[in-house]
Amino acid sequence: SQKIEQNSEALNIQEGKTATLTCNYTNYSPAYLQWYRQDPGRGPVFLLLIRENEKEKRKERLKVTFDTTLKQSLFHITASQPADSATYLCALAFNKFYFGSGTKLNVKP
Amino acid sequence: NAGVMQNPRHLVRRRGQEARLRCSPMKGHSHVYWYRQLPEEGLKFMVYLQKENIIDESGMPKERFSAEFPKEGPSILRIQQVVRGDSAAYFCASSPLGLADTGELFFGEGSRLTVL
Repeated sequence: SQKIEQNSEALNIQEGKTATLTCNYTNYSPAYLQWYRQDPGRGPVFLLLIRENEKEKRKERLKVTFDTTLKQSLFHITASQPADSATYLCALAFNKFYFGSGTKLNVKP
Repeated sequence: NAGVMQNPRHLVRRRGQEARLRCSPMKGHSHVYWYRQLPEEGLKFMVYLQKENIIDESGMPKERFSAEFPKEGPSILRIQQVVRGDSAAYFCASSPLGLADTGELFFGEGSRLTVL
């Protein structure tokens, strides 16, 4: 069955630095991949989508890459701010959306 | 345009009772997904519905769990004879498009079920 791996350890970085989160998957590459942000006690919020034929996608301070050879997506937040602290989830679309367990990001002032 | 509305936000049930969770998708959205989340864990797919039809229920236990999305009214996730292991946050998400059309999911704030 499809497996999605995100670093279960929290990522702690200093304000202003670039945060890089990883999403690895097994088996088949999806048609597209999405990233969501989830704050404690809230529902996930969509951030970015990248298709299998796209290498990179940007939106303001966010950047996503998608390497179907490595079966990996990287999610970058540049010039990180304390307000970026949250859990970030990747989701792969096959016959349904499969979510990773998320990586918690802590940005310290 | 109101977002995805879930109610109740918090529900406490004793073992053996029934839990009924409601989800009103965003206006114009005909695709609804239910996910379950345990603390510090990811979202586990339960069921995918499209108006009046269950498209995929492979993530939902065969017993005690059922879901519907009627022509009129909200989608309902029903858990009969709840057990302590059912305690979790249940999230509903809706989309105007199917999976093949790069449907972004819009999530509700979740219903948190506690079974005593």
